[in-house]
Amino acid sequence: EDQVTQSPEALRLQEGESSSLNCSYTVSGLRGLFWYRQDPGKGPEFLFTLYSAGEEKEKERLKATLTKKESFLHITAPKPEDSATYLCAVQRTNTGNQFYFGTGTSLTVIP
Amino acid sequence: DTGVSQNPRHKITKRGQNVTFRCDPISEHNRLYWYRQTLGQGPEFLTYFQNEAQLEKSRLLSDRFSAERPKGSFSTLEIQRTEQGDSAMYLCASSLVMRTSASYEQYFGPGTRLTVT
Repeated sequence: EDQVTQSPEALRLQEGESSSLNCSYTVSGLRGLFWYRQDPGKGPEFLFTLYSAGEEKEKERLKATLTKKESFLHITAPKPEDSATYLCAVQRTNTGNQFYFGTGTSLTVIP
Repeated sequence: DTGVSQNPRHKITKRGQNVTFRCDPISEHNRLYWYRQTLGQGPEFLTYFQNEAQLEKSRLLSDRFSAERPKGSFSTLEIQRTEQGDSAMYLCASSLVMRTSASYEQYFGPGTRLTVT
């Protein structure tokens, strides 16, 4: 059965304390893995798409990487404004276009 | 910046009433998706349209739910005879996918928060 699991569920960091969020997946045929940021009461905001193992994408303090079984979102020297829930989603090659989301990691960065 | 817009942003209704939500996608996007999100969970897929054709529906989409995209532009999601379990955030997303496209990212709207009392 297809699964997307994110860990940890919640993470508290001091400002400047780097860390990584994990998204492990079991799907039959990965078309793409997507990272989103979601602030409370708002829709998810697109961050990155990764299509193949070994691929990396960077944006400001965020860097996303992909292997055949998992993806990491590395946060370097986070700031309080990075506090949000980070969601990953996978899209399979043989089921049209729906995304399968994990439950997210709630990140709090303390000043 | 004309992103995905959704109306209303909040809706409170009594059990048994019908509600309708509207989604306006990014103008050139040909695909439109509806998701439902409950507290502490990731969004769950409900249905999607390619232009005006509804191509896929989730098992979550009971007979009380219906979605339309009549002219391939905006979409509506209607819930009939609402139940308390329908309380959730309803999210709309859009994407542009062409035959030669190599990108499939979906862009989400702000959502409609439904509360059924």
